[in-house]
Amino acid sequence: GAVVSQHPSWVICKSGTSVKIECRSLDFQATTMFWYRQFPKQSLMLMATSNEGSKATYEQGVEKDKFLINHASLTLSTLTVTSAHPEDSSFYICSAGGKSNQPQHFGDGTRLSIL
Amino acid sequence: GENVEQHPSTLSVQEGDSAVIKCTYSDSASNYFPWYKQELGKRPQLIIDIRSNVGEKKDQRIAVTLNKTAKHFSLHITETQPEDSAVYFCAASKEITGGGNKLTFGTGTQLKVEL
Repeated sequence: GAVVSQHPSWVICKSGTSVKIECRSLDFQATTMFWYRQFPKQSLMLMATSNEGSKATYEQGVEKDKFLINHASLTLSTLTVTSAHPEDSSFYICSAGGKSNQPQHFGDGTRLSIL
Repeated sequence: GENVEQHPSTLSVQEGDSAVIKCTYSDSASNYFPWYKQELGKRPQLIIDIRSNVGEKKDQRIAVTLNKTAKHFSLHITETQPEDSAVYFCAASKEITGGGNKLTFGTGTQLKVEL
């Protein structure tokens, strides 16, 4: 089946650091990928929709200058958390696929901890 | 935008009993409704889905029903087992420009199956 690979799985870094998370579709092409954030004991909240070859579409309340998304190819999207602070600590998950009423395929997620 | 409500937030059942989780959605354009099981620190796993042209779908111990008129859908798990214990999320989805489905998740249900 379709596989989405997400790296790194776990990051601990100091406040002010920028962190890049990669999301790759391994055996299919994804024109659209999605980035979610999940705080402890809460639901997955869509942050942005990543579109290959064009600008990402951000959900209301998500700072596009804080969370930089690049979708340079049909198999790779990256999320960069710029100048991360402790309140950015969360579980970030990407997904891909899901053409017309088909399931999305999720990455394993990245646990980000900012000290 | 879409709003998905999910109830109950926690559900405790005895092994062998049935569990029912209910969701409502607001956007009549939503046409795909997946259910996910998420274990602590892991990615959401699709367990069953239903499309808007179907009223009910069953897969072994798991079933989902959809009432488009009332905009609600439910997950039914029969003969529950301890390994069913996890957080379950419903989601509503509609197709977006450029391809892909935009998922809006419910708030989640923590299911605990007791021996």
